[in-house]
Amino acid sequence: SYELTQPPSVSVSPGQTARITCSGDVLPNQYAYWYQQRPGQAPVLVISKDSERPSGIPERFSGSSSGTTVTLTISGVQAEDEADYYCQSADGSGTYFVFGTGTKVTVL
Amino acid sequence: QVQLQESGPGLVKPSETLSLTCTVSGGSISSYHWSWIRQPPGKGLEWIGYIFYSGSTNYNSSLKSRVTISVDMSKNQFSLKLSSVTAADTAIYYCAKLRAMTMPRGVIPQYFDPWGRGTLVTVTS
Repeated sequence: SYELTQPPSVSVSPGQTARITCSGDVLPNQYAYWYQQRPGQAPVLVISKDSERPSGIPERFSGSSSGTTVTLTISGVQAEDEADYYCQSADGSGTYFVFGTGTKVTVL
Repeated sequence: QVQLQESGPGLVKPSETLSLTCTVSGGSISSYHWSWIRQPPGKGLEWIGYIFYSGSTNYNSSLKSRVTISVDMSKNQFSLKLSSVTAADTAIYYCAKLRAMTMPRGVIPQYFDPWGRGTLVTVTS
């Protein structure tokens, strides 16, 4: 079965850089997507196709991929970036979808 | 800009069937895939299943025996039914548009955007 593993939490001071990893055997062959979920809100897509930033997402959000690990980087973290972040991928035929375990980003 | 809104009972009794509807506004349900995702309180996201506007479906194997997703194009809605619920089915249920991309193998569903605001369903006697 597909599994995507993320660290439970990341803490970062304002203005610093937060890096969130997502690991899974499916990732060398399938794209990863990242969602931000603020408390009490629905998830919002922040990175598509490993590294593409959708319209309206701040430039401080970026993504990268290397082998079985993808990384979401938030440069110059702001207080409003405090949220849960989830990676997501799919199988090769788009018939099964999996989310990562989620990472809580705390802005100190 | 497409918007989605979930609706349905917030309380369901154990062993009964959970029924939710997602109303799509700002665009047609036609030509796209639509999905349900849930999130138990304080926990992570779980994909439930999706439906293509034509009616073809795909479900998470862990829920497949209990899930039915259907579409009503005349109302621009799609629906979720989950039977024989237990307390483990207590969650926020989200509907979302499932975006597909053109890839070497064809047009392949890939990611969820946008999402509805979600609705909390509690299973309790």
